[in-house]
Amino acid sequence: GIQVEQSPPDLILQEGANSTLRCNFSDSVNNLQWFHQNPWGQLINLFYIPSGTKQNGRLSATTVATERYSLLYISSSQTTDSGVYFCAGISNTGNQFYFGTGTSLTVIP
Amino acid sequence: SAVISQKPSRDICQRGTSLTIQCQVDSQVTMMFWYRQQPGQSLTLIATANQGSEATYESGFVIDKFPISRPNLTFSTLTVSNMSPEDSSIYLCSVDSTRGAYNEQFFGPGTRLTVL
Repeated sequence: GIQVEQSPPDLILQEGANSTLRCNFSDSVNNLQWFHQNPWGQLINLFYIPSGTKQNGRLSATTVATERYSLLYISSSQTTDSGVYFCAGISNTGNQFYFGTGTSLTVIP
Repeated sequence: SAVISQKPSRDICQRGTSLTIQCQVDSQVTMMFWYRQQPGQSLTLIATANQGSEATYESGFVIDKFPISRPNLTFSTLTVSNMSPEDSSIYLCSVDSTRGAYNEQFFGPGTRLTVL
């Protein structure tokens, strides 16, 4: 299967700071997505971004499919951004959705 | 996008018992997926449930332990059988929402299971 490494594994930010989360895939994937898992366990869809760059408010994401990585940018972080961020994608050879190792973000006031 | 609900949202169960988790989608979907998230870990796919056929299980998961039903295109159940404390996890169902070339996955709110 595909290995999906995320970095950093843990991140503590002061409110208002910016951050970049990275996702590396061991092989090509399709349908790359970013999720935010809130403290209650709910997975929230942030971006569907198989390639290119998208922005949504304070969040933006960039995927460079040819180099098998994706980045999630969080600007002017807020305490409600706390939680775990996952990237995931589907391999070119099947339907399985492979999840990354996750980045646990804590934003302190 | 797809709206997905799960029941129960959480439960505390005794060792050796079984729990059935329900997943309901607001639209017809071909495939539904069941995931397990152990404490502090990422998500692992348990099985893919297609309507009208047996579920397809991933390595490390077996039908006797995690029987799945898929009676129609909007509903599925996952049973966690003969539970042990190691089964304490969040269980999530998901679906593909296919729109042309898009194949985006959406997740239910999860079922938080604690086994004593």
